[in-house]
Amino acid sequence: DTAVSQTPKYLVTQMGNDKSIKCEQNLGHDTMYWYKQDSKKFLKIMFSYNNKELIINETVPNRFSPKSPDKAHLNLHINSLELGDSAVYFCASSQGRGGMTYEQYFGPGTRLTVT
Amino acid sequence: SQKIEQNSEALNIQEGKTATLTCNYTNYSPAYLQWYRQDPGRGPVFLLLIRENEKEKRKERLKVTFDTTLKQSLFHITASQPADSATYLCALEPNTGRRALTFGSGTRLQVQP
Repeated sequence: DTAVSQTPKYLVTQMGNDKSIKCEQNLGHDTMYWYKQDSKKFLKIMFSYNNKELIINETVPNRFSPKSPDKAHLNLHINSLELGDSAVYFCASSQGRGGMTYEQYFGPGTRLTVT
Repeated sequence: SQKIEQNSEALNIQEGKTATLTCNYTNYSPAYLQWYRQDPGRGPVFLLLIRENEKEKRKERLKVTFDTTLKQSLFHITASQPADSATYLCALEPNTGRRALTFGSGTRLQVQP
């Protein structure tokens, strides 16, 4: 009965490829997020969606494109993968929208390795 | 520039002792401060949230303090157990501008039996 799930858990791919990571939450939350955790363990927000509306878009290369088909899903598509994209990507969700951040529930992460 | 600093060195303590972790911040006016636990290969798990007008929050063996004058939060685990070994992250949400959490890099806690 996973609250926030992500697929795949591991993703190994070559430079230049396009890949997607999927995220689903069954908590009924309105807001979903994508974070990147680099090798130094810093967890940085990339995007935030509230009810399918983009509310936070950090300085992320436009090769990264989030898509929210409904408020329970937030997918991340990455074009033309680069070595520097290697990291662990976490999806998260919370109640409320920006300005009323409650605790966030994280998925298990997707370890992306670009070779 | 805005910074959140947590001790990057691991904290090693004996079972039964109180662990105290520190989160310092600069150039922030946080509305909320949160603490998360992260185990290797897993996503962070929420532990406690404290608001800017609260000095202290408790939950079972956990206690968080928030001093907006010192710009510091302390996270305490009393009667620590080996199962408490993990990385602990603090996260701030500002009360102006972009309303999103910014995380510190975390402090690894190792509780020795």
